[in-house]
Amino acid sequence: GENVEQHPSTLSVQEGDSAVIKCTYSDSASNYFPWYKQELGKGPQLIIDIRSNVGEKKDQRIAVTLNKTAKHFSLHITETQPEDSAVYFCAASKGAGNMLTFGGGTRLMVKP
Amino acid sequence: TAGITQAPTSQILAAGRSMTLRCTQDMRHNAMYWYRQDLGLGLRLIHYSNTAGTTGKGEVPDGYSVSRANTDDFPLTLASAVPSQTSVYFCASMMDREGTEAFFGQGTRLTVV
Repeated sequence: GENVEQHPSTLSVQEGDSAVIKCTYSDSASNYFPWYKQELGKGPQLIIDIRSNVGEKKDQRIAVTLNKTAKHFSLHITETQPEDSAVYFCAASKGAGNMLTFGGGTRLMVKP
Repeated sequence: TAGITQAPTSQILAAGRSMTLRCTQDMRHNAMYWYRQDLGLGLRLIHYSNTAGTTGKGEVPDGYSVSRANTDDFPLTLASAVPSQTSVYFCASMMDREGTEAFFGQGTRLTVV
């Protein structure tokens, strides 16, 4: 089955700096890669996703990049703000049954 | 719109007792999932259901059972709880179409003592 590795497990940045979280996946058939944000005491929520026919996608201060050859994808957050502090999950799916395999999560802390 | 609702929000359960965690969605999603989250991080799949009437085992199914009698409800049952089942449990749902968003409930915090 699919295996998704996520790094780092914790990340501390100063407000205004950039944060990068990286994931690798094992199944070359995976073609959908979402990122979820989990705030304290809540369930994860989708913040951005990318499909295998696209190399990069941006939405305001967040962007995702995908390298299908190397089987890795990354989340980039620029101009970080304290409200970006949360746990972030990457995931991968190959469509059939729509089952998502999640990475282990990254706890991002943005220091004011 | 309510979305996906879990109950209870939290529970303390004596070891050996049984318990059912409830999950209901009103989005008519075909697929539903149960995850457990330990140490505030990783999500591990317990059981899933691609459509009403069918269920499947995830990564960590032992000690848990599920049923899917209709589209809206997907209860998770612990027949005889053990302390290692102390965790936060999340239910999620998704339309049965490639690459769609998973919607999560707010979670149930279960402590087995």
